[in-house]
Amino acid sequence: AQSVTQLDSHVSVSEGTPVLLRCNYSSSYSPSLFWYVQHPNKGLQLLLKYTSAATLVKGINGFEAEFKKSETSFHLTKPSAHMSDAAEYFCVVSDRAQDMRFGAGTRLTVKP
Amino acid sequence: NAGVTQTPKFRVLKTGQSMTLLCAQDMNHEYMYWYRQDPGMGLRLIHYSVGEGTTAKGEVPDGYNVSRLKKQNFLLGLESAAPSQTSVYFCASSYRAVYNEQFFGPGTRLTVL
Repeated sequence: AQSVTQLDSHVSVSEGTPVLLRCNYSSSYSPSLFWYVQHPNKGLQLLLKYTSAATLVKGINGFEAEFKKSETSFHLTKPSAHMSDAAEYFCVVSDRAQDMRFGAGTRLTVKP
Repeated sequence: NAGVTQTPKFRVLKTGQSMTLLCAQDMNHEYMYWYRQDPGMGLRLIHYSVGEGTTAKGEVPDGYNVSRLKKQNFLLGLESAAPSQTSVYFCASSYRAVYNEQFFGPGTRLTVL
């Protein structure tokens, strides 16, 4: 069975400082991994995805994530936080198109 | 393209009432999904469909039924609503391949009193 653990339920950073949102996964197969963002009262939007090509994945809005098989991790980073990055972020693992498992989410707060 | 749309956006029900949530997509996706989102639990899959006329159970199917009579529509039904079904419901769709991401609708906020 596959599962995802987001290690922080809440992360707070100052505008202009780096962002790190941590995600560990468990899967019996070679999984696909995704990060989605959800702004308040909105649906989910895809930030980036890993599909067994390059281990460093670049996404929208300056976010990137690195797939580390030995550590079973897929942490999300951004060099410099912007106020508009404040949102809920979900790490997702999938080994079949119809079976995506979501983490519990990490709420990112950006202070001015 | 409207993407994935959901109707209604908000609904309040009394315990025991029934209702149907409608999801529509205009991307010609084969797969469609219904999730519920509860605080601190991420999204959990209720039911999904891999094509017109087919449905399957997800992680939390009890108390819900679904139908997919047309490729572009996926309906979620609550026959007898319970307070435990108070949640935000999201519909999503995707292409068939395992590496393809899901596209989400804006959500329906349901309160059962």
